[in-house]
Amino acid sequence: NTKITQSPRYLILGRANKSLECEQHLGHNAMYWYKQSAEKPPELMFLYNLKQLIRNETVPSRFIPECPDSSKLLLHISAVDPEDSAVYFCASSWTPNSDYTFGSGTRLLVI
Amino acid sequence: AQSVTQPDARVTVSEGASLQLRCKYSYFGTPYLFWYVQYPRQGLQLLLKYYPGDPVVQGVNGFEAEFSKSNSSFHLRKASVHWSDWAVYFCAVSMNSGTYQRFGTGTKLQVVP
Repeated sequence: NTKITQSPRYLILGRANKSLECEQHLGHNAMYWYKQSAEKPPELMFLYNLKQLIRNETVPSRFIPECPDSSKLLLHISAVDPEDSAVYFCASSWTPNSDYTFGSGTRLLVI
Repeated sequence: AQSVTQPDARVTVSEGASLQLRCKYSYFGTPYLFWYVQYPRQGLQLLLKYYPGDPVVQGVNGFEAEFSKSNSSFHLRKASVHWSDWAVYFCAVSMNSGTYQRFGTGTKLQVVP
């Protein structure tokens, strides 16, 4: 899926700090971070629409989103917890209520 | 508030058989409805979408879904299942007022010979 690229693909962390990156090549106005734990549906973490953070679910403060421009999204993680082990997906869409395009995800393992 | 329910966590069908995956929604206003598929170790991919209009919508790979206002449903159908359809299917709903999508809990489809 080259429409949305995510890096890294895999990440193994102790209690280090790290950032996940996402870039979309679709010209979409809205971008999202989702967390998907095993055998669960994706859970919305953050939503940016036209670069403005307009939705922030009850996510631990160790997760900090950043939207440096309309095509890029970052997720800064500090002092991760084992419960943070999951796949983190980036997605984008024209508007928050239109269809979403997902990236391939970053698999985070906290040891 | 809008929400979507997928009552079947797991469905098993024989290859070549027909398929229906159920989705029920609740909303205030005009719903937009979606079906996504997630293959192992991949992100979600759009199968089809419903915006107000023809209640039967066609998607990729022979999938279709039918919007029913009276039953508050948006079931996914396929006439003949292929082994490559083995995946998890998610139903989602948003509204024309601009709210973001809510996802169902997903249905895992297993295809047997």
